Amino acid sequence: QQKVQQSPESLTVSEGAMASLNCTFSDGTSDNFRWYRQHSGKGLEVLVSIFSDGEKEEGRFTAHLNRASLHVSLHIREPQPSDSAVYLCAMSITGANTGKLTFGHGTILRVHP
Amino acid sequence: EAAVTQSPRSKVAVTGGKVTLSCHQTNNHDYMYWYRQDTGHGLRLIHYSYVADSTEKGDIPDGYKASRPSQENFSLILELASLSQTAVYFCASSYRGGEVFFGKGTRLTVV
Repeated sequence: QQKVQQSPESLTVSEGAMASLNCTFSDGTSDNFRWYRQHSGKGLEVLVSIFSDGEKEEGRFTAHLNRASLHVSLHIREPQPSDSAVYLCAMSITGANTGKLTFGHGTILRVHP
Repeated sequence: EAAVTQSPRSKVAVTGGKVTLSCHQTNNHDYMYWYRQDTGHGLRLIHYSYVADSTEKGDIPDGYKASRPSQENFSLILELASLSQTAVYFCASSYRGGEVFFGKGTRLTVV
């Protein structure tokens, strides 16, 4: 079964500074990758979905995927205090059942004004 | 945007009791899922369903049953709740091959 490692476990940045989060996975079977944001006590909000090597931008959020290196990252441009949350990477295999996701443990992001 | 509604939003149950968590989606999605999240951990898949009246085991099905009586509704059943099942439970739904939408979660505390 796919194993997913997220780093760092927690990250504190100042408002406006770039925040970078990482996710490594154990094998190349997955080809659907997603980054979710979870505010405290809330549900999951999808930020970026990426399905091929390279870069995908959604507003201030950019995901980079390198399947050969078993690595996907999320960069948050000009983070704001409202971006303080847990960020989860998740992956699945292309097909009908894309909701059969394997998650990392999450990165806690704190953005200071 | 897809709407996935979970009820109750929180519950306290006694050890050995029966617990039913409910999920309702209004977007005609084929697939529905139940995940659990433990403090400091990501989500893990318990059961899922791709059609009414049929359920499939996920990665951690032991101690849980699921029921999909209609396309819109998907329940998670704990026949004999245990302390180790204290967690936050998330329901999700999706089209075949489409984006996955999550509910707001149910916080279950077993005492």
